[in-house]
Amino acid sequence: DVKVTQSSRYLVKRTGEKVFLECVQDMDHENMFWYRQDPGLGLRLIYFSYDVKMKEKGDIPEGYSVSREKKERFSLILESASTNQTSMYLCASSLLQYEQYFGPGTRLTVT
Amino acid sequence: RKEVEQDPGPFNVPEGATVAFNCTYSNSASQSFFWYRQDCRKEPKLLMSVYSSGNEDGRFTAQLNRASQYISLLIRDSKLSDSATYLCVVRSNQAGTALIFGKGTTLSVSS
Repeated sequence: DVKVTQSSRYLVKRTGEKVFLECVQDMDHENMFWYRQDPGLGLRLIYFSYDVKMKEKGDIPEGYSVSREKKERFSLILESASTNQTSMYLCASSLLQYEQYFGPGTRLTVT
Repeated sequence: RKEVEQDPGPFNVPEGATVAFNCTYSNSASQSFFWYRQDCRKEPKLLMSVYSSGNEDGRFTAQLNRASQYISLLIRDSKLSDSATYLCVVRSNQAGTALIFGKGTTLSVSS
């Protein structure tokens, strides 16, 4: 079975802090994705990566950056957390152009 | 026009009922189609891919109408455990494209 893990299920941070969300997949997938999910807005793509050291902006990249130094790991970075970044963050991976498999999510609260 | 549109519901049905969800997509170049299921406070999980000829998996049937850019999901003999949010997902096969998620349709099955 595909397994996608995220470093934390729940996280509370203060405004202005730098926040790292880690995602690891164990199926040698080329593609990895970061989404946020908010009530009424659905899943919105923040960034994605098709290969090591490659990254592409999604629909809402502002305030975020990513890092992919190894194939299995894709990190989302909030350079200076703000309250409007309080959300559920979901990581996903996929093999080439096939379906995506999601991690359990990180519920981030910024106070 | 939104890229993937779904009726948000909620759909409230009794056990044993048949229920159908519809989804429309705006990009005629879309080539891959999926239905995902998301339980409350959980990550989305692939329910089924949708093929041009239509496909069935037990009580679930998915249909695709490319001319009308329309996808459907039919659930027969609803179970309490079918209560969830169902996400319609499409992807263009153009290089560099990610999945596009609808906002989901909520189903509640009651006894």
